[in-house]
Amino acid sequence: QSVLTQPPSVSAAPGQKVTISCSGSTSNIGNNYVSWYRHLPGTAPQLLIYDNNKRPSGIPDRFSGSKSGTSATLGITGLQTGDEADYFCETWDGSLNGGVFGGGTKLTVL
Amino acid sequence: EVQMLESGGGLVQPGGSLRLSCAASGFTFSSYSMTWVRRAPGKGLEWVSGINNNAARTYYADSVRGRFTISRDNSKGVLYLQMNSLRAEDTAVYYCAKRQGFTTSSADSWGQGTLVTVSS
Repeated sequence: QSVLTQPPSVSAAPGQKVTISCSGSTSNIGNNYVSWYRHLPGTAPQLLIYDNNKRPSGIPDRFSGSKSGTSATLGITGLQTGDEADYFCETWDGSLNGGVFGGGTKLTVL
Repeated sequence: EVQMLESGGGLVQPGGSLRLSCAASGFTFSSYSMTWVRRAPGKGLEWVSGINNNAARTYYADSVRGRFTISRDNSKGVLYLQMNSLRAEDTAVYYCAKRQGFTTSSADSWGQGTLVTVSS
């Protein structure tokens, strides 16, 4: 069981919008920044969002992040088939004194 | 261009040891924290271990504490992970990741990973 809870899967049609939630606690999300990554097995993970809602250079504004209390959300608009991948949230956990990932969400673009 | 290249993975028997290396280039290695993250077959990403820029502080997941040791050689730009008492559940692709600053910050660059298989 992961410390951070994500839905196992989400799906939507091309061009539509999807959101992926990440739920934690005061020891992790509640008191630390959240990051979001995209990963296809066999490739290097890619940072999409850092510090809750900031995008690294090169990441399109179709990707957005937000945080409220002990939960965070990744939003993706204008879905493309190339967005199909596994998405993970990450933050620091002060009680564990280490980083923690969500269980991951598989995005399917129908 | 920032690059990380992992090496040292392979097949090892349960109870055995391996040392992973991650050669970094394209940035001032000694200024950034680094971490190891793994992904087991059919599972999600798992944070394994982290080290701050001058190696004064190290951090471990409960699943590997006491068995794995993270270290770095800032003069060579290399990150290491010494893995002892390996178990079948340690089978995974291991990635090294550069942090934006402190160990608590985001991982903005990743290697392609090296596969570790623990099996008899």
